[in-house]
Amino acid sequence: EDQVTQSPEALRLQEGESSSLNCSYTVSGLRGLFWYRQDPGKGPEFLFTLYSAGEEKEKERLKATLTKKESFLHITAPKPEDSATYLCAVQGGGADGLTFGKGTHLIIQP
Amino acid sequence: DSGVTQTPKHLITATGQRVTLRCSPRSGDLSVYWYQQSLDQGLQFLIQYYNGEERAKGNILERFSAQQFPDLHSELNLSSLELGDSALYFCASRRGGGYDSPLHFGNGTRLTVT
Repeated sequence: EDQVTQSPEALRLQEGESSSLNCSYTVSGLRGLFWYRQDPGKGPEFLFTLYSAGEEKEKERLKATLTKKESFLHITAPKPEDSATYLCAVQGGGADGLTFGKGTHLIIQP
Repeated sequence: DSGVTQTPKHLITATGQRVTLRCSPRSGDLSVYWYQQSLDQGLQFLIQYYNGEERAKGNILERFSAQQFPDLHSELNLSSLELGDSALYFCASRRGGGYDSPLHFGNGTRLTVT
């Protein structure tokens, strides 16, 4: 059974204070690791897909990296508008949908 | 805007009742997924359809059923509702039948069972 564990559960940072979110996974036949952002009352918004260890993707202040056992979402000089819950998900070799972690609730204080 | 449309946005109903949630996928997407999100469980996969056919089942209760129609929209039917069914229900779509592209989510239907 595919499993995803995200840490920390919650993180409060000052504006401009860089940090990283962790996503540990176990999966049978990784087809992709996905990062999403979810704002309150909204659906998850797609950010990145990573397919193999060593791969990196960047978008504005966010950078996602992947190893064989975990992925990191690095947030550089965050702004208050980066406050959201960040979800990590994996697609394994089975036909089921993505398996999600419970997310990291990120708060950026001005 | 993801391009996935879900209706209604909110639904309040009583225990024992039946409701239908509707989803229109992004234009051109053939696969539709349904997820349930509760505070303690996170996002849980319920069921997947591809081009009208059921493809995979996750943690979907027997009281719940779904279908995908020829125009590719999908409906999730929840019956004999219980208090514990209160949650956000999300629909997501994917371009084809493969598994390496991202899911694109709608903004969900918030179901409250009283």
